[in-house]
Amino acid sequence: DAMVIQNPRYQVTQFGKPVTLSCSQTLNHNVMYWYQQKSSQAPKLLFHYYDKDFNNEADTPDNFQSRRPNTSFCFLDIRSPGLGDAAMYLCATTPSGSSNQPQHFGDGTRLSIL
Amino acid sequence: AQKITQTQPGMFVQEKEAVTLDCTYDTSDQSYGLFWYKQPSSGEMIFLIYQGSYDEQNATEGRYSLNFQKARKSANLVISASQLGDSAMYFCAMRAITGGGNKLTFGTGTQLKVEL
Repeated sequence: DAMVIQNPRYQVTQFGKPVTLSCSQTLNHNVMYWYQQKSSQAPKLLFHYYDKDFNNEADTPDNFQSRRPNTSFCFLDIRSPGLGDAAMYLCATTPSGSSNQPQHFGDGTRLSIL
Repeated sequence: AQKITQTQPGMFVQEKEAVTLDCTYDTSDQSYGLFWYKQPSSGEMIFLIYQGSYDEQNATEGRYSLNFQKARKSANLVISASQLGDSAMYFCAMRAITGGGNKLTFGTGTQLKVEL
């Protein structure tokens, strides 16, 4: 089945130690998104790619970076995680130009900071 | 700027009963789309139903229907015949078709608990 896959499902890292979360998709969608979701809150968009064009949200901290080496893969890098970065990180995809298509989400990665 | 408001932080419903989850929105766009997502405690976001601003009929998908009242700017989700597996967080979201591009604006969510 075509899908969005996030690895790992759970990630533990140390305060200040860089961490990378990965997302892959078999849907061949042009647009990929990264969201941060803290407990009992709505998902907050960090950035998204339209093909290789990177679009950062104005309030996304510099500590968060992203890479999209090809259509299928997208990575979220947190350069120096702080305690406040503990959250669920959701990856989503959507075809371009189809406004009535939903975003397809992965199962998320729960990040804990020690 | 777009805004989604979900005024019910938590809702309870008995199994097999219907429940309505409220969603109101604010936008200056003429063309937009409204989505409902379900998020169980395991964390994945599951798409439920979509309503376009120009759709004349209310959307339905199985036990889910959307009560779309454009003049009131509301897009309430109705779940019929509730099941225990419907217990989850539900998010209403809006997507701009012009201007905002492909981005979704989410509401704060409603936690639904289905009881026996």
